[in-house]
Amino acid sequence: GAVVSQHPSWVICKSGTSVKIECRSLDFQATTMFWYRQFPKQSLMLMATSNEGSKATYEQGVEKDKFLINHASLTLSTLTVTSAHPEDSSFYICSARSRPSRLHTQETQYFGPGTRLLVL
Amino acid sequence: QQQVKQSPQSLIVQKGGISIINCAYENTAFDYFPWYQQFPGKGPALLIAIRPDVSEKKEGRFTISFNKSAKQFSLHIMDSQPGDSATYFCAASMGNAGNMLTFGGGTRLMVKP
Repeated sequence: GAVVSQHPSWVICKSGTSVKIECRSLDFQATTMFWYRQFPKQSLMLMATSNEGSKATYEQGVEKDKFLINHASLTLSTLTVTSAHPEDSSFYICSARSRPSRLHTQETQYFGPGTRLLVL
Repeated sequence: QQQVKQSPQSLIVQKGGISIINCAYENTAFDYFPWYQQFPGKGPALLIAIRPDVSEKKEGRFTISFNKSAKQFSLHIMDSQPGDSATYFCAASMGNAGNMLTFGGGTRLMVKP
């Protein structure tokens, strides 16, 4: 099946620093990538939708200046948590939407393994 | 407003039993309903999905039942195994499978040996 990778898989940082998380589609081109946040024992909450070459669309309540999203290519989207604080500690998960291709005849969505962020 | 409601929040089943998780949705524009399995510290993985034009879909031990008039769908795991112990999420979206997903609250399943 299609593979989506995230890097790093976990990160610990000091309060006030910025952290960049990468999401890559390894064997397909992703027209759209989604970023989710998941707190312990809770569901996935969509943060933003990222389309290649355009500005991300943020969900209500998500600060776009705090969570910077860049989708510079069809295989890479990045989420930067700026000036991270302890309340930003969470599990961040991306998903990538595949374009129809010879390998993937229909559009579908594949999830990455997640990045655990701990802000001290 | 929670558009996809999932129950129960947690479920304990004996090995070999049937695990049943239910979801209800409000938005009649939803037309794609996947189920995801998530192990601790991992991203969700697609298990099985259904569209409203069928009432049931079966893949191996996993079956989705869909009731369009009631706006409900459920996941049945037959012959549940300890390895099935995970958190299960239902979701819904409009249009094709690559569109934005609205997730249910999740069900933590524990299958006892």
